[in-house]
Amino acid sequence: DVKVTQSSRYLVKRTGEKVFLECVQDMDHENMFWYRQDPGLGLRLIYFSYDVKMKEKGDIPEGYSVSREKKERFSLILESASTNQTSMYLCASRPGTGRFDEQYFGPGTRLTVT
Amino acid sequence: RKEVEQDPGPFNVPEGATVAFNCTYSNSASQSFFWYRQDCRKEPKLLMSVYSSGNEDGRFTAQLNRASQYISLLIRDSKLSDSATYLCVVNHHDSWGKLQFGAGTQVVVTP
Repeated sequence: DVKVTQSSRYLVKRTGEKVFLECVQDMDHENMFWYRQDPGLGLRLIYFSYDVKMKEKGDIPEGYSVSREKKERFSLILESASTNQTSMYLCASRPGTGRFDEQYFGPGTRLTVT
Repeated sequence: RKEVEQDPGPFNVPEGATVAFNCTYSNSASQSFFWYRQDCRKEPKLLMSVYSSGNEDGRFTAQLNRASQYISLLIRDSKLSDSATYLCVVNHHDSWGKLQFGAGTQVVVTP
């Protein structure tokens, strides 16, 4: 059974703090993704990684960075948190580039920046 | 224009009724299509893939219309447990496995 875990379900941080969100998958998937989800906007891709130490910008990378030092772990970093980064953050993993490969999501981290 | 567009709903459906809704996509090079289901405050999970010839999984039927660039989902004999947000998902062949998600269609099944 594929499992994607995220380090926190709820997080409250202050403006200007550095924030780390951790994601771990246990199925040796090549691809990992970070999304944020906001009402009415759906899932928006922040960054993704298709291999260790590789990363690609998604649709909204500004204000974020990522790290993938090991295949199973993909971290999202908010260098200086701002209130407009209050959101639900979802990590996901996917086996490869097979057309019908399923994407598996973690339970999400609800981040509030005050 | 968004790459994947959905009617946000909500679609209010009496228990036992049929509900259907569509999703349009803008990239004609899209190669594969899915419906994901997201329950309130939970993560999205795959409901079904959508194949060119259309496919059925129990009470759920998905159709693809490439000419008009839309996919559809039909739910028969709706159950209270079908209440959820249904996300339309599209994959481009050259996108390194990167999926494009619609914002979702909310379905509320009422007793």
